[in-house]
Amino acid sequence: RKEVEQDPGPFNVPEGATVAFNCTYSNSASQSFFWYRQDCRKEPKLLMSVYSSGNEDGRFTAQLNRASQYISLLIRDSKLSDSATYLCVVNIGGYQKVTFGTGTKLQVIP
Amino acid sequence: GAGVSQSPSNKVTEKGKDVELRCDPISGHTALYWYRQSLGQGLEFLIYFQGNSAPDKSGLPSDRFSAERTGGSVSTLTIQRTQQEDSAVYLCASSLGLGTRAYEQYFGPGTRLTVT
Repeated sequence: RKEVEQDPGPFNVPEGATVAFNCTYSNSASQSFFWYRQDCRKEPKLLMSVYSSGNEDGRFTAQLNRASQYISLLIRDSKLSDSATYLCVVNIGGYQKVTFGTGTKLQVIP
Repeated sequence: GAGVSQSPSNKVTEKGKDVELRCDPISGHTALYWYRQSLGQGLEFLIYFQGNSAPDKSGLPSDRFSAERTGGSVSTLTIQRTQQEDSAVYLCASSLGLGTRAYEQYFGPGTRLTVT
């Protein structure tokens, strides 16, 4: 089993739709979780950190389910500018190194 | 404040030549990471530095790859005898390394390496 797994997509959604991505991780000792977005031919940028059961930032909500070992990202009222690849990132239990998922591609359609 | 910077932004080299890629992390960040990303692929971890500790080199694909970090700040990734499969974008990231936001990584714009 991969350390971090994501559905590669692509997810094609109309503007204004709500879309959710899931990410599963294998190491139960993982403590820190992040979502990054990466635009085409650009570097990844930190979107949200998830340190407890979840948090919300505007249209974006991240949730953590430790029992089932997954985190989710919910995007409400999708905008064209949300089109990107969303990377799930997990800290490997107490160690500085993190593992990046391969990403979920989102395309918001007019 | 200033973000992570990398140079050069693009590098074209002939097979067999050595290249050096540079990374300037965010001031005050003690952790520094190198990744590479081939076209359409995910991030591949290469090496990680934390303060004065021995670096984690577990991701380096061969002994042609090496990296150093001088004075706990600037880092150089060196690829010797480049091969065509080394063509990729090389990304550097830094993080605070301490506290609740220790693992939040901030990336530079990358160096696009093309080996001909």
